[in-house]
Amino acid sequence: QQQVKQSPQSLIVQKGGISIINCAYENTAFDYFPWYQQFPGKGPALLIAIRPDVSEKKEGRFTISFNKSAKQFSLHIMDSQPGDSATYFCAASRRRNSGDSNYQLIWGAGTKLIIKP
Amino acid sequence: EAGVTQSPTHLIKTRGQQATLRCSPISGHTSVYWYQQALGLGLQFLLWYDEGEERNRGNFPPRFSGRQFPNYSSELNVNALELEDSALYLCASSLFMGGSSTDTQYFGPGTRLTVL
Repeated sequence: QQQVKQSPQSLIVQKGGISIINCAYENTAFDYFPWYQQFPGKGPALLIAIRPDVSEKKEGRFTISFNKSAKQFSLHIMDSQPGDSATYFCAASRRRNSGDSNYQLIWGAGTKLIIKP
Repeated sequence: EAGVTQSPTHLIKTRGQQATLRCSPISGHTSVYWYQQALGLGLQFLLWYDEGEERNRGNFPPRFSGRQFPNYSSELNVNALELEDSALYLCASSLFMGGSSTDTQYFGPGTRLTVL
């Protein structure tokens, strides 16, 4: 119930196309869903995050779509560019509480995205 | 505002030795998380420190340990190094707002540990 399943494992998209990465979760207590972008040899950087009280959040070319009933969320990258080539991780967590001892951010396995020029 | 910093950038050790990795969180952040990322793989949760105490640990043997100092910086120690410990070790920090709230983690650049 703690898992976050991410797909696909790898994705090749033509420049200018739409990249779509999907994640699914089981734990209905999760209420924070961030996406991180990681370039080779670097640490992950927070890209965009959503709470379940909204169905969509957009920041520039990046959009998170959230389907609470299906327990799924996805990242859409519009007008994909070669600079978007990176590994993308979805994650999920419940709220952290004062004195928490078992709080953890649960990570998807990652998607390696390659944008072909 | 300075981000999360980690040192050293690279570390080469031989099997059986000990490694010490360091992390300085974003100023004001009191929580530090450690992750292991083997080449081409995902993030594996190692340890979580908050206000100087270990709060949670992942499924790793006891030879992975650490501590958090009064200034909230943290140290990860790996004893009796094995070849499979070769990985990128990532540190993240967060600022807990109290009560029941979202905890956003910000990552450092990592330390690449190579065990020969």
